[in-house]
Amino acid sequence: ELKVEQNPLFLSMQEGKNYTIYCNYSTTSDRLYWYRQDPGKSLESLFVLLSNGAVKQEGRLMASLDTKARLSTLHITAAVHDLSATYFCAVGGAGSYQLTFGKGTKLSVIP
Amino acid sequence: NAGVTQTPKFQVLKTGQSMTLQCAQDMNHEYMSWYRQDPGMGLRLIHYSVGAGITDQGEVPNGYNVSRSTTEDFPLRLLSAAPSQTSVYFCASRIKMNTGELFFGEGSRLTVL
Repeated sequence: ELKVEQNPLFLSMQEGKNYTIYCNYSTTSDRLYWYRQDPGKSLESLFVLLSNGAVKQEGRLMASLDTKARLSTLHITAAVHDLSATYFCAVGGAGSYQLTFGKGTKLSVIP
Repeated sequence: NAGVTQTPKFQVLKTGQSMTLQCAQDMNHEYMSWYRQDPGMGLRLIHYSVGAGITDQGEVPNGYNVSRSTTEDFPLRLLSAAPSQTSVYFCASRIKMNTGELFFGEGSRLTVL
């Protein structure tokens, strides 16, 4: 059974600071996604990571994937208030149609 | 370009009542799925379908039924609602290939009294 663990679950950070959210998973995977969710809203796709060593960047967010360590990171650079949201990673088991989500990291960026 | 459309957005039921959450997509996606989101639990897969006439169970299927008669529609049925089914429900779709991006609907907030 695929298990996905995100940490931290809650993160309060000051504007301008850097921080990293971690996503660990328990079994072989062939794809990993990062999503953003604003309160009361749907999920917005941020990144799709499909291979070991994949790195993708969009603005102040950068995601990477290490399949050997079964670890993905979402790095936030010089945080701004607009990044306040809940971030989810979702992992697809190799050969499986299903995606398993982490519990989410609620990020609050404080001025 | 509607994407994934869910109805209703809000619903209140009494224990034992039945209802159907509707999901429709206009992207010709083979894969469709239903998730529930509960505080502190992330999203959990209820049922999914890889094409018309094909459905399968996810992580938390009990108490829910689905069918897939067309590519566009994937309704989720609660036959006898229970308070434990109070949740936010999301429908999502993608191309059949596993590496495709999953597109989510706006969600349906269900309260069972």
